Amino acid sequence: AQSVAQPEDQVNVAEGNPLTVKCTYSVSGNPYLFWYVQYPNRGLQFLLKYITGDNLVKGSYGFEAEFNKSQTSFHLKKPSALVSDSALYFCAVRVVSGGYNKLIFGAGTRLAVHP
Amino acid sequence: GAGVSQSPSNKVTEKGKDVELRCDPISGHTALYWYRQSLGQGLEFLIYFQGNSAPDKSGLPSDRFSAERTGGSVSTLTIQRTQQEDSAVYLCASSLGGGRTYEQYFGPGTRLTVT
Repeated sequence: AQSVAQPEDQVNVAEGNPLTVKCTYSVSGNPYLFWYVQYPNRGLQFLLKYITGDNLVKGSYGFEAEFNKSQTSFHLKKPSALVSDSALYFCAVRVVSGGYNKLIFGAGTRLAVHP
Repeated sequence: GAGVSQSPSNKVTEKGKDVELRCDPISGHTALYWYRQSLGQGLEFLIYFQGNSAPDKSGLPSDRFSAERTGGSVSTLTIQRTQQEDSAVYLCASSLGGGRTYEQYFGPGTRLTVT
């Protein structure tokens, strides 16, 4: 079955430290991978995507993600965390099912950055 | 430019009543999606419209749920005979096309509470 897994419910990191939010996927064919962020009481915002090309993808707010085909992972990273990065992060993969393109989301990882 | 808008932002209804939730996608976006996000949970796909094609209804949880998209723009999600388990945030998203490379842009959601 095609799926996305975010193994950590919550990640805690001190402000100024690097952060990593993990994501692994299982799809048939080439993966099309996305990261979204959800701030409290707001909708999801697109951060970045991997379609093809360089394995390191840069996105909004200083975030980047590394596509690793052998490990089927697409971890989100940021060199120096800010308190304002505290939010819920979703990894997603685009799949084809029943002739339709669908976006399958992971369960989400809550990032808490403390001063 | 204007993003995806949804109305109402909050809806409280009594069990057994029908509700209608509205989504205005970004102008020019041909694809429109509905998701449900229950408290502390990830996103559950409900339905997907792409242009004039038949919608992908595979995510609708029961026949009490239906959606339509008029004129290829505004969409309405209808829940008949609401149940308490329908309480959730209903998110709408649109994308420029239905292809796998397109990111989705989300509205702020409608928080539905069934009492």
